Amino acid sequence: SAVISQKPSRDICQRGTSLTIQCQVDSQVTMMFWYRQQPGQSLTLIATANQGSEATYESGFVIDKFPISRPNLTFSTLTVSNMSPEDSSIYLCSVQRWTPNDEQFFGPGTRLTVL
Amino acid sequence: GDSVTQMEGPVTLSEEAFLTINCTYTATGYPSLFWYVQYPGEGLQLLLKATKADDKGSNKGFEATYRKETTSFHLEKGSVQVSDSAVYFCALLYGNNRLAFGKGNQVVVIP
Repeated sequence: SAVISQKPSRDICQRGTSLTIQCQVDSQVTMMFWYRQQPGQSLTLIATANQGSEATYESGFVIDKFPISRPNLTFSTLTVSNMSPEDSSIYLCSVQRWTPNDEQFFGPGTRLTVL
Repeated sequence: GDSVTQMEGPVTLSEEAFLTINCTYTATGYPSLFWYVQYPGEGLQLLLKATKADDKGSNKGFEATYRKETTSFHLEKGSVQVSDSAVYFCALLYGNNRLAFGKGNQVVVIP
């Protein structure tokens, strides 16, 4: 298994500000992903964080709004920029090790509330 | 695109009752299918998976069979316990290891 930590675990932010969420894994992994879970909704993939290159965003998500970094094989950040109340969600990172179809492990999530 | 549909609404049942949560999928080809569980106050974790048609995934007394004829992957448990109270998500794997999730079902088991 993989042990994943996220910081912060929760935050309350003002409209128009930005928040950076960190995801740290206890061992090297091939793939890292960022998901969003809006209140009462399912998980939606935001992007795949690529080590050493730009993230791959899903339809409806753009780099200007959700810039992502992945400087190495154990760490990634997601920034939620120019926040609005609609960005209030739980943000989760997930990781996958080396093999295709391998299990994805999820972090505990960051609960974000935007006022 | 590829997607997963779960039955609507929470599920409330008594201890030792039989649990079924329906999951159907829409996909090109035959994707790997998963059930994830989120216990209160905990992170999302994999419960079971099936990677090809007719495979049966099982774990902790839960089972699900990959049925391509009905494009379904229903979750079942013969006798639930209070400790099974959680939110259950069905998911499929598509292009380049990405997961598509269903809306999830809250299961509440009453003693």
